Amino acid sequence: KAGVTQTPRYLIKTRGQQVTLSCSPISGHRSVSWYQQTPGQGLQFLFEYFSETQRNKGNFPGRFSGRQFSNSRSEMNVSTLELGDSALYLCASSLGDQMNTEAFFGQGTRLTVV
Amino acid sequence: LAKTTQPISMDSYEGQEVNITCSHNNIATNDYITWYQQFPSQGPRFIIQGYKTKVTNEVASLFIPADRKSSTLSLPRVSLSDTAVYYCLVGDYRTGGFKTIFGAGTRLFVKA
Repeated sequence: KAGVTQTPRYLIKTRGQQVTLSCSPISGHRSVSWYQQTPGQGLQFLFEYFSETQRNKGNFPGRFSGRQFSNSRSEMNVSTLELGDSALYLCASSLGDQMNTEAFFGQGTRLTVV
Repeated sequence: LAKTTQPISMDSYEGQEVNITCSHNNIATNDYITWYQQFPSQGPRFIIQGYKTKVTNEVASLFIPADRKSSTLSLPRVSLSDTAVYYCLVGDYRTGGFKTIFGAGTRLFVKA
């Protein structure tokens, strides 16, 4: 079966701009989680969506937002970009409704803010 | 979510067995223990998950003592391609949804 697809793979933006990243989960998966990975902070949880509702949220400012569509595809948006937002953004999909569940990660979107 | 502690890095040689231990003193009754592997510029990949005793799959074994306050990931006969960062995660994915907190991970370097 197809894996988790993230688009675009690479992105360069200027400070102050906004960006939208997309994640298509594995078919049948209803949970999509987003993470930011930087060399200094490691993997940090942003938020999780399940059946179009945000179910969990990490400790990121309101500039980071997301949504999930009825087909479980998810987007995350970062407004007013800062240099520190440069990172690898990863999304993970899972069934989301089982006690022990495996998450499948995409290849990520490498965002560079200049 | 329970906090985990792992060694920052480990070195090994090809063909050796590698054991990475993770401490999770505050593990809750409903928590599962999961290990992921990550290569540079790629997303983490699920390795193994367990609740108690021992779990084995085609790539690794997971040993969990009776008190569940620690767990050990065992990689048999590692190769150069096993050089990666390994994350130990503890959580109850049933309540509150999927909110996985990754620690710093263990950087394993396999030498020829």
